[in-house]
Amino acid sequence: NAGVTQTPKFRILKIGQSMTLQCAQDMNHNYMYWYRQDPGMGLKLIYYSVGAGITDKGEVPNGYNVSRSTTEDFPLRLELAAPSQTSVYFCASSYSTGSPGELFFGEGSRLTVL
Amino acid sequence: QKEVEQNSGPLSVPEGAIASLNCTYSDRGSQSFFWYRQYSGKSPELIMFIYSNGDKEDGRFTAQLNKASQYVSLLIRDSQPSDSATYLCAVKTSGNTPLVFGKGTRLSVIA
Repeated sequence: NAGVTQTPKFRILKIGQSMTLQCAQDMNHNYMYWYRQDPGMGLKLIYYSVGAGITDKGEVPNGYNVSRSTTEDFPLRLELAAPSQTSVYFCASSYSTGSPGELFFGEGSRLTVL
Repeated sequence: QKEVEQNSGPLSVPEGAIASLNCTYSDRGSQSFFWYRQYSGKSPELIMFIYSNGDKEDGRFTAQLNKASQYVSLLIRDSQPSDSATYLCAVKTSGNTPLVFGKGTRLSVIA
């Protein structure tokens, strides 16, 4: 059982480039999330999805886009990368947001924009 | 803006002592409360959750919730060097809203 799988684990981008962070889960979870974590900081929600075809903005959505065409996949698109997007990105999933609402995290993707 | 506040630390305790980690939250409608542990360079992992006032114990860990004071804490008894990590408090409000995380408290257990 793979859980939540993120690719790539590391990536260096130049300013202005674009890329997609991939996230897949095999737990048949309805809810999926993208968080970013800057050094010494907690997790900030970028986007989330409550099911296929439904996405919503989190706290810090600017500069990112998402889609959810299947239950399993929730890719995060970075357009016109900026140094401020240098961070560790975590994808997570949950069966529901009701109690207990436990999140299952991927291993993270470390992105550097130079 | 729903906020979750934690002291960033570092909190240093000697091996075998009790570590006390605290968290306050702003949304009085919050329903569920979670403690995640994150080792350096790793992803967060759930330690405990609590949604009723009072204490909840799981091994060396005890979560305490006081909704009237909007306060949740995590006690770690008999602290071990392997407990050294960042502890993230997360709060869920009503409905389908995602968890809101605090910045985390870095715990260092000194052997």
